[in-house]
This record gives sequence, C-alpha cells and structure tokens, in this order.
Amino acid sequence: QVQLVQSGAEVKKPGASVKVSCKASGYTYTSYGISWVRQAPGQGLEWMGWISANNGNTNYAQKLQGRVTMTTDTSTSTAYMELRSLRSDDTAVYYCARVTLAPAAPVYWGQGTLVTVSS
Amino acid sequence: EIVLTQSPGTLSLSPGERATLSCRASQSVSSSYLAWYQQKPGQAPRLLIYGVSSRATGIPDRFSGSGSGTDFTLTISRLEPEDFAVYYCHQYGSSPRTFGQGTKVEIK
Repeated sequence: QVQLVQSGAEVKKPGASVKVSCKASGYTYTSYGISWVRQAPGQGLEWMGWISANNGNTNYAQKLQGRVTMTTDTSTSTAYMELRSLRSDDTAVYYCARVTLAPAAPVYWGQGTLVTVSS
Repeated sequence: EIVLTQSPGTLSLSPGERATLSCRASQSVSSSYLAWYQQKPGQAPRLLIYGVSSRATGIPDRFSGSGSGTDFTLTISRLEPEDFAVYYCHQYGSSPRTFGQGTKVEIK
C-alpha cells in the first residue's frame, strides 16, 4: 500500500533552516511527484510547491521563492523540503503528498511534521 | 493566483441534517480541477471529491459535489457523527495550487 512517512518534529530558532523528509513506499517512486503543503496552527492549508520525482523539476509558491528548496533521492525514494531563514510565522505542520504528473488532487498524504520556530 | 472563498465559515447542524458548503473561485477553475477535502484534528486531509463531482475511493455516497466555472458546492445529504470536521476546497488546475480557507461543520 502507498505510504508516505515523514521525519519527526523540529524546533528551530529564527533565522535557522529546517529540512523535512518524506519517505515513499508501495509504488514506483519516479512515476509521481511530491507536493508540500503546510498548515499553521488553527489555520488553513497552504500549497508550497512540488517536485517531480522523475527528473527533479520543481515549481515553488512565489511567496517562498528563494527560501525553499525541494529535492528528491531516487535511491531511497525520499523527498526533502528545506526551508531557510525561518521566521515565527513558518511555525506549522508540514505535509508531503503524492501527486501525479498530470493535474490531480492528492490522495496520499504523509502524517505531517510539526516545525516550531521560537527563540 | 486563483483565490478560493468558502462559505459559511462555520456550519452548526445536527446529525441527520443536510449540509451545503460553498466554494467560490476568483476566476474560472481550469478543466473542472476542483476537489474537496475533509480534515479532522491531528490528521492529514482526506480526499472526498475530485473533478468537481467524482467521489474518491471509499467515500460514501452521502457526499456529493457539483458546480462549474467559479461556483462549487459540497453537499452532505445526512450528517453522520463522523462527518463533523473542517472541509476545504482545492483547485489543482492552475499554478499555484490553492485551497479555500475552510468551513467547519460543528454539532449544533
């Protein structure tokens, strides 16, 4: 069965970086992409971007351009999302989700990773 | 960017009642790429509806979606206790992908 397992919770200071991982199993990794979505406490869902697991092509949300990098390791079927220059408003649960290369609503999601930014 | 506006913000209903949730887009949603998700506290979103009106695998038929262009609706015909949650609409036809701000369906 399709599974996306994310890394554990992180606490970071303002200005630091965080790298969240998302390990995929149960399907052919390179036939899909991975989207990242975040959710601040008590707030709605925010799309951050996506990466093709096949060729590493990326598409980032404009508001995060320059601070976010999404990468993929096909040898371990793992996607990564790194966010730099963290601010308090980056405190959120970060989700990865499997996406098809053609437009489709994500069905499979990771369990979420809480990133807390606090001094 | 397509802005999705959901209404109402909160819907207070009793089990067995009908719930009607609205999602309005700031511009036409490409190729009917509009989905609905359900989210419960501490859980990832769960896909209910995709392509405006197609139910995802395992979703009961009390959930239905409709609409076109810029106006979309999620209807829950008879609320079950497990349906009290937050619901988000999501457009996935244009970049950036966007979500509505959510409608909370709470027990009256």
